[in-house]
Amino acid sequence: NAGVTQTPKFQVLKTGQSMTLQCAQDMNHNSMYWYRQDPGMGLRLIYYSASEGTTDKGEVPNGYNVSRLNKREFSLRLESAAPSQTSVYFCASRGAGETQYFGPGTRLLVL
Amino acid sequence: EDKVVQSPLSLVVHEGDTVTLNCSYEVTNFRSLLWYKQEKKAPTFLFMLTSSGIEKKSGRLSSILDKKELFSILNITATQTGDSAIYLCAVSLNTFSARFGAGTRLTVKP
Repeated sequence: NAGVTQTPKFQVLKTGQSMTLQCAQDMNHNSMYWYRQDPGMGLRLIYYSASEGTTDKGEVPNGYNVSRLNKREFSLRLESAAPSQTSVYFCASRGAGETQYFGPGTRLLVL
Repeated sequence: EDKVVQSPLSLVVHEGDTVTLNCSYEVTNFRSLLWYKQEKKAPTFLFMLTSSGIEKKSGRLSSILDKKELFSILNITATQTGDSAIYLCAVSLNTFSARFGAGTRLTVKP
């Protein structure tokens, strides 16, 4: 039972490159989330998926797209990376309760 | 706009000290308030509070919510170096989303 897993752990991109961050959970949770964490800013919600087949924008969606591939997997795509997207990205999932379970994070550096 | 504000942003104490971390909120729809601890990587759940005045306790950690004054505190007694972490407060707004504060970085020195 791995909980929430994310790949990759670390990535360096050049401005304008694209990439997809992968997230999977094995807890049969309906809701999944993508956050970014920047110093002094806490966790800010990028996108979330309340259930398979639905996605919604969070606080800071610009520059990102998401796909809820199935109940287990929720990916985050940067089509044209910018230095402002340098951050640590966390995926989380939530079941019937209020608690969110977080993955280990992806550290992204955009040069 | 929904806001969650934590204070202080950073705190350095010595082992054995007692600390109080603060979280105030201003949101349109309140469901619950959650505290998380973030060490090196992923935040992990500590407490969920939904009712005013009822203290939640786990070992040396305790937390209480005041829904009238719109704040919560997290207390840690007899701090240890293992308590060093970022403590995050989050307010659950609806069934699907939560707003997080910036976090308090606690450093406990031996």
